[in-house]
Formats: sequence, C-alpha cells, structure tokens
Amino acid sequence: KQEVTQIPAALSVPEGENLVLNCSFTDSAIYNLQWFRQDPGKGLTSLLLIQSSQREQTSGRLNASLDKSSGRSTLYIAASQPGDSATYLCAVSSLDSNYQLIWGAGTKLIIKP
Amino acid sequence: EAGVAQSPRYKIIEKRQSVAFWCNPISGHATLYWYQQILGQGPKLLIQFQNNGVVDDSQLPKDRFSAERLKGVDSTLKIQPAKLEDSAVYLCASSWTPGRETGELFFGEGSRLTVL
Repeated sequence: KQEVTQIPAALSVPEGENLVLNCSFTDSAIYNLQWFRQDPGKGLTSLLLIQSSQREQTSGRLNASLDKSSGRSTLYIAASQPGDSATYLCAVSSLDSNYQLIWGAGTKLIIKP
Repeated sequence: EAGVAQSPRYKIIEKRQSVAFWCNPISGHATLYWYQQILGQGPKLLIQFQNNGVVDDSQLPKDRFSAERLKGVDSTLKIQPAKLEDSAVYLCASSWTPGRETGELFFGEGSRLTVL
C-alpha cells in the first residue's frame, strides 16, 4: 500500500535562501507525482506534475525532481521570497492506489523577511 | 478562465443536522473530485466522477454522505446526519483528464464545515 511522507512538517528560512522540500513514497511503481501549494484558508494550487517517465520539471524558480528507485522527490525553491510562505504538499498516483492520489501531510514553509 | 467555484465557504451546524455543498468545475473538465481535508492532514478522496458517472467512491461513508453530478457539470455533496468528526474542509477539484488516471487537478477554495 502506497504511503507518502513529507519531512520536516515545518521549515523556516530567511528570505533569499535556496531550499529543498522532501517527499518520499513507499511504492516506486507510480503513474505520476504532483506538488501543490496551499495558502491558509485556501484550496490547493498545482505547482508541478512529473510523469513516471520524467526525472524533473521546472517552472520559474521551482524545480521538482523524481527518483523512483529511491522513492523520493524534491521540490527546489530558488531565491525564496516571503510570498513563498505556504504549505507544500506532494501527492502520488499509482496503479496500487487505483490511480488515486495518495497525499503527504505537507511541509509548512515560512520565509522570514 | 473561471476557476472551480464552491459554496458555501463556511458552514456551522449542530451534530445530527444536515448540510450540502455545491461545486461548479472548470468548463469542459470531465472529471470532478470531492476531497475531505482535516486540519494538518493531506486531502482524502471521497468520490470521483467522470462526467455524471461514479469512478471511485470507495472511501465515501455511504451511510451519511451522498454526492451527485447531474448532467455531468455541477455537483453537490451532502452529509446527513453530521457527526463531530465531519468537521473539515471539503475541497472540490476538477481535471480535463478522462479515465481513471489522475492528471493535473484544479481546486476550489473549499467549504469549511464545523460541527458542534
């Protein structure tokens, strides 16, 4: 049964730093992996979707990587800004879960001005 | 392009009362999802529709929860009777991806339910 873990649960860094958020999953037979952002009291916004055949995806200052063999994905945020403060969630779709997304609990990111 | 619309944004009810949430997905999106998100946790899928057919409702507590998507567009999620543990945010999402595979999801802002 697929399980998704995000560690740490919370992270605080000064503005301007580059940072990495981690996501690990137990079953490497995935269909795709998605990273989302959630602002307080809001819904989720899709950031990046990586298909099983891909190793990374980039959008602006964000870069997501995928290593199926080790069951890991990272979200790299370059030159962090206070507006990046939010909770970041990863979710994995796999045949094991009947293609439904299995979610991590998220990492709450605070960027200090 | 209009996003996913949900209402109401907030609802407070007593236990054993009923409540209904409404969702209007992005125009043209065949697939619609209802998720339940408890504070501090990732979302949990309740039901997935493709057009007006149910793809997956395996985690929907069918003794108290019901959902429909008439005409393959808008959807309603109903809880009757509500329990304290139903306090959560109910998120609606849509996707253009047909079939069982999950593509990019677009979420509404959610409906926050408090059961007293």
